[in-house]
Amino acid sequence: QQQVKQSPQSLIVQKGGISIINCAYENTAFDYFPWYQQFPGKGPALLIAIRPDVSEKKEGRFTISFNKSAKQFSLHIMDSQPGDSATYFCAARVENNNDMRFGAGTRLTVKP
Amino acid sequence: GAGVSQSPSNKVTEKGKDVELRCDPISGHTALYWYRQSLGQGLEFLIYFQGNSAPDKSGLPSDRFSAERTGGSVSTLTIQRTQQEDSAVYLCASSFFGNTEAFFGQGTRLTVV
Repeated sequence: QQQVKQSPQSLIVQKGGISIINCAYENTAFDYFPWYQQFPGKGPALLIAIRPDVSEKKEGRFTISFNKSAKQFSLHIMDSQPGDSATYFCAARVENNNDMRFGAGTRLTVKP
Repeated sequence: GAGVSQSPSNKVTEKGKDVELRCDPISGHTALYWYRQSLGQGLEFLIYFQGNSAPDKSGLPSDRFSAERTGGSVSTLTIQRTQQEDSAVYLCASSFFGNTEAFFGQGTRLTVV
């Protein structure tokens, strides 16, 4: 059973546009929600993360919006750049639990 | 090195052969994870090591898969009698205990022919 559902599977955005990737989770015990960015041939790298005590976290052009009641969270990339083209994974984890559950990934392409 | 190191980067093996994949975590990291990434799929949790505690093997897909971590550092993931469906990128990650950020290696791309 997939515990974290991610959409869309792929996304094409023009340079300067806003990229939005959505995730939904089922386990209400999850209390840590990171986003990872993966470039071809590389391992995923932590991009930004949020805990459910806040509804939004912003770091530069990247923002996580979190809706605890809907059990949804999303990544917004403002002023998207071609260098942002990568695969993005959302994840969810129970603190101090071994198992971090990942979404299926979104392949983002930003066209110049 | 400063990051998580995995070897080999690529491995092509014949169906039925055994393979060993190696992970060198970041020095001082007590937690070590193995994940599998199949084409177009998310990251599938395989196994977790924390210090000297018994590993969490709940994600291993079959008894053909096993992993060891020697001396609380280097880890080896072994796949016996490989099958074509084992073809994937195997990723290793490490973190400090209690720290939620996991650092990933570049992965080992396994192809079973």
